[in-house]
Amino acid sequence: QVQLVQSGAEVKKPGASVKVSCKASGYTFSSYYIHWVRQAPGQGLEWMGMINPSGGFTTYPQKFQGRVTMTRDTSTTTVYMELSNLKSEDTAMYYCVREGVAAKGYWFDPWGQGTLVTVSS
Amino acid sequence: EIVLTQSPGTLSLSPGERATLSCRASQNVITTFLGWYQQKPGQAPRLLIYGASSRAAGIPDRFSGSGSGTDFTLTISRLEPEDFAVYYCQHYGGSPPMCSFGQGTKLEIK
Repeated sequence: QVQLVQSGAEVKKPGASVKVSCKASGYTFSSYYIHWVRQAPGQGLEWMGMINPSGGFTTYPQKFQGRVTMTRDTSTTTVYMELSNLKSEDTAMYYCVREGVAAKGYWFDPWGQGTLVTVSS
Repeated sequence: EIVLTQSPGTLSLSPGERATLSCRASQNVITTFLGWYQQKPGQAPRLLIYGASSRAAGIPDRFSGSGSGTDFTLTISRLEPEDFAVYYCQHYGGSPPMCSFGQGTKLEIK
């Protein structure tokens, strides 16, 4: 079955970087975009950007431009999200999710299990 | 950027009742780009509706989506105990593609 499995929880100090992985299985890796969405404790969902695994093309919202980098390794069907210059406000659960598309619309499914990133001095 | 505003913030209902959740966009959106997600505590979001009105695979038919332009609605016809959760609407589309979520509606047991 289609599955996204993320790396484990991380604890980082302010100013450091974190790199979260998302391993895809059960489908043709290059055929579907992967997105990253984060959720701070008790808060809503925030989109961080997307990557096209086929050519590595990325799109980031302005808020994260210059601080987030999404990459992929086609040999291991893994997508990575690196966030630099971490602040306490970056403490959140980070999800990867696959984009789907059909004639009637677009969707985000399935989701990874989430990776908790804690930023604390 | 399209801003999505959900209402109410919290909805208190009893099992068996009908729930109506609203999502208003800051500008007209194409229905193809509007979706709804359910999230329970400690879990990742779950896709319910895409294209404003198409149910995702495995979603019970008590869930329905409707709307167009700037106003969209998620309706749960008869609440089951497992439906009490937080619901998010989402817009994804454009060129380059951008995504935004509403702030969520918490559906709680009355």
